[in-house]
Amino acid sequence: QAVLTQPSSLSASPGASASLTCTLRSGIHVGSYNVYWYQQKPGSPPRYLVRFKTDSDKQQGSGVPNRFSGSKDVSANAGILLISGLQSEDEADYYCMIWHNNSYVFGSGTQVTVL
Amino acid sequence: EVQLLESGGGLVQPGGSLRLSCAASGFSFPSYAMTWVRQAPGKGPEWVSTISSSGTATYYADSVRGRFTISRANSKNPLYLQMNSLRAEDTAIYYCTAAPRMGNALNIWGRGTMVTVSS
Repeated sequence: QAVLTQPSSLSASPGASASLTCTLRSGIHVGSYNVYWYQQKPGSPPRYLVRFKTDSDKQQGSGVPNRFSGSKDVSANAGILLISGLQSEDEADYYCMIWHNNSYVFGSGTQVTVL
Repeated sequence: EVQLLESGGGLVQPGGSLRLSCAASGFSFPSYAMTWVRQAPGKGPEWVSTISSSGTATYYADSVRGRFTISRANSKNPLYLQMNSLRAEDTAIYYCTAAPRMGNALNIWGRGTMVTVSS
């Protein structure tokens, strides 16, 4: 079982909100981790978006619009990236990441399509 | 301008070696933990290796441990990744990344250098 699991794709309309999930493997508790989110467009490296640990311990990447925000669903053992007011430029692959056992672990990514 | 510039990629035969370099500018390189991340064609990013700011601590993915070596000479960057016994599955874009401390967000990325392992 992968450490981090993400749905492979998500589609939404312009102006809508999109909620991307990153589920941690059983036995790895999301409450203990910073969950990082990255956006990647074709031909470019991943871009750091946000970090979320708690409501009082979070970080926005440099120049990242407030439309991107992080949260957690502890009951589902998942990190969440919320994209509000979807724009066509948000069409990209999104990856979650944690630091676990002295290694960075990436999720498999969610491809977001803005219809 | 904050920048990381990778070099040293190319085509190599299985079993061969390559050394990647990463030159940093625009930030205090000696203060940052450095990490190599790779991305195979059509796949997601995969962590390869991390070195602490002092260079005293290094960590490797199981897939490269014993074959790859990360190193740095702090007062004079660059960062290196020595890759030996290369396999077809090592084919990927290799990105150099930086974080204020190990475990922090990888918030500075280079454009990457392509490594192709093929006969």
